[in-house]
Amino acid sequence: DAKTTQPTSMDCAEGRAANLPCNHSTISGNEYVYWYRQIHSQGPQYIIHGLKNNETNEMASLIITEDRKSSTLILPHATLRDTAVYYCIVSFGGFKTIFGAGTRLFVKA
Amino acid sequence: GAVVSQHPSWVICKSGTSVKIECRSLDFQATTMFWYRQFPKQSLMLMATSNEGSKATYEQGVEKDKFLINHASLTLSTLTVTSAHPEDSSFYICSAWGERREEEDEQFFGPGTRLTVL
Repeated sequence: DAKTTQPTSMDCAEGRAANLPCNHSTISGNEYVYWYRQIHSQGPQYIIHGLKNNETNEMASLIITEDRKSSTLILPHATLRDTAVYYCIVSFGGFKTIFGAGTRLFVKA
Repeated sequence: GAVVSQHPSWVICKSGTSVKIECRSLDFQATTMFWYRQFPKQSLMLMATSNEGSKATYEQGVEKDKFLINHASLTLSTLTVTSAHPEDSSFYICSAWGERREEEDEQFFGPGTRLTVL
């Protein structure tokens, strides 16, 4: 079973920040939090990952709570092309990945 | 950067025939690759772990005799759907772990193969 819980769907206005939450209360000390997204009929695309500290790259920011039991993916200025299913995954890295249902993000004009 | 490719991107076959899907890691070696299946409006379901030079490890409920996996080299894994039936129609995706930055791995996914069995 997936080790994360995410809302089924979310809406966001174009140009606004999209904040996608994820609960991973059973995460172990060495597991990373990974975020991927899947646009319709494509393979998943890596977005960002982190262990303890907040991370930022050209696509998004990842905020991990101090107890590491939850995290938030932030797309700072959502565009229509960000409409996708977003998956939050906890993993040691290098091992099999179990996907949950993810969050279906709809970015609206 | 590291890329995973799949071939073909889509295939249509008749019921009872076998279909082979290739997964290649480009610019990096992958001792382990993973095969997923995805039905419409559902999440990715892990089918098996493909290990270079050894037998694949199948997830519970996945028929190993129906979904043959061969990982003959460090850059190629193949999934053969034997005696395909319409219920095998799905989106098949492979993945492999590679190194994005030093000592930090990232899982790279192929673009997927859409199989339609008539």
